[in-house]
Amino acid sequence: GAGVSQSPSNKVTEKGKDVELRCDPISGHTALYWYRQSLGQGLEFLIYFQGNSAPDKSGLPSDRFSAERTGGSVSTLTIQRTQQEDSAVYLCASSFRGRAVTDTQYFGPGTRLTVL
Amino acid sequence: ELKVEQNPLFLSMQEGKNYTIYCNYSTTSDRLYWYRQDPGKSLESLFVLLSNGAVKQEGRLMASLDTKARLSTLHITAAVHDLSATYFCAVAPDVDDMRFGAGTRLTVKP
Repeated sequence: GAGVSQSPSNKVTEKGKDVELRCDPISGHTALYWYRQSLGQGLEFLIYFQGNSAPDKSGLPSDRFSAERTGGSVSTLTIQRTQQEDSAVYLCASSFRGRAVTDTQYFGPGTRLTVL
Repeated sequence: ELKVEQNPLFLSMQEGKNYTIYCNYSTTSDRLYWYRQDPGKSLESLFVLLSNGAVKQEGRLMASLDTKARLSTLHITAAVHDLSATYFCAVAPDVDDMRFGAGTRLTVKP
């Protein structure tokens, strides 16, 4: 595709429910990143994938958060037993990892999650 | 702990004026990024600065990097309303670590 796509664009859920957010990176990009942006705040780094593996999961806010990536492409971020403090915009980005590239991250439009 | 500090956090300026946004970071990093975010939109890459003394310009925006001072600047020349947005700097001290500043919300008034 032309850019990073994310779905859904908006998600309203009730406290305690599980949600799954999807990210489809730019074709050929091996690196994929998840961030969280709370209202009026900067970006909080959550997790990074190189291929299908995530070397460091320490950025995930709690054990209710998990992420996976399959086939080196699509990634899903799952939040179990959602809490109101999980309400935020979840942004996904992808980049091409190579020797002589600047590794700019290209961001998707985000998923706005609202937990009631 | 790595800190990325931007200032100012809010900037209101008149069209035609010049101003500079500052980005300080607390650890070594070989890459520094500037992004723009319009309200309700995602982030758009503006500049990637890779070395000490690097300067890049695009239209009315110019970014520079001083790795010794751990400082990057984003200079706005003769601001226009279309530049109103939030600007983020980010450093990548490691391949799997990207830290963003809090952002500078710029409003350009006619």
